[in-house]
Amino acid sequence: QKEVEQNSGPLSVPEGAIASLNCTYSDRGSQSFFWYRQYSGKSPELIMSIYSNGDKEDGRFTAQLNKASQYVSLLIRDSQPSDSATYLCAVPDYGGATNKLIFGTGTLLAVQP
Amino acid sequence: KAGVTQTPRYLIKTRGQQVTLSCSPISGHRSVSWYQQTPGQGLQFLFEYFSETQRNKGNFPGRFSGRQFSNSRSEMNVSTLELGDSALYLCASRVATGELFFGEGSRLTVL
Repeated sequence: QKEVEQNSGPLSVPEGAIASLNCTYSDRGSQSFFWYRQYSGKSPELIMSIYSNGDKEDGRFTAQLNKASQYVSLLIRDSQPSDSATYLCAVPDYGGATNKLIFGTGTLLAVQP
Repeated sequence: KAGVTQTPRYLIKTRGQQVTLSCSPISGHRSVSWYQQTPGQGLQFLFEYFSETQRNKGNFPGRFSGRQFSNSRSEMNVSTLELGDSALYLCASRVATGELFFGEGSRLTVL
C-alpha cells in the first residue's frame, strides 16, 4: 500500500509569517502531487497541483517538489487567519484501469492574529 | 459550470438500517469517485465509476455498494449500518490530469 505522510500538527504561525507544510510519499514513481485545503466541517478544496521538480507559485502559495527525496511541500506566504484549516497532501495510486488519490492525514494549520 | 452536487447533506440513521447517498458530478464529467472521511482514518477511497462501470474499489466490506446511471449521476448504498459507518461521505469528479473536485459531502450519523 502506497503511503503519504504528513505531520498532523497543529502548526501554529503568527499572522504575516510563512507557513511551511510538508509531505513525504512512498512511491518513487509518483508523477503528480496535489494539495487540498479543508476548513472545519467542509469538504476538501484543491489549491495546488505540481507535476515536475522545483517550485510552482500561485499567489501566496508555493508548492515545492523534490522527487529524489520523495518530498513535496506547500509554503503559504503572508499567512492570514483565514488560512487556518487542515491541509491535505495527495498522490495518485495508479492501478488497473483507473487511479485513485491516496491522501495524507493532513496538517492542521492555525494562524494566530 | 455547476460543481459536484451531493444529497442529502446530513442524515441520521440507526444501526441496522440502510442509506442511499446521491451524487451528480460536474456537468460533462463521466468519472465519479467516492471517499469516506473519518477523524481516525482520514480520507479513504471507496470506489470509482466511469460510464456506468465500477473501475476500482477500495478496501471496504460488501455492505458498501454503488452504481452510476447513464446521466453520470451516482449513488452509493450502505446496508446494515454500524456505528463505525458514521462519517463524511464525499463524492468527486476526476479530471484527466488526476485532480479530484469534491462535493460538499453527506454527513452520516449512525446511532
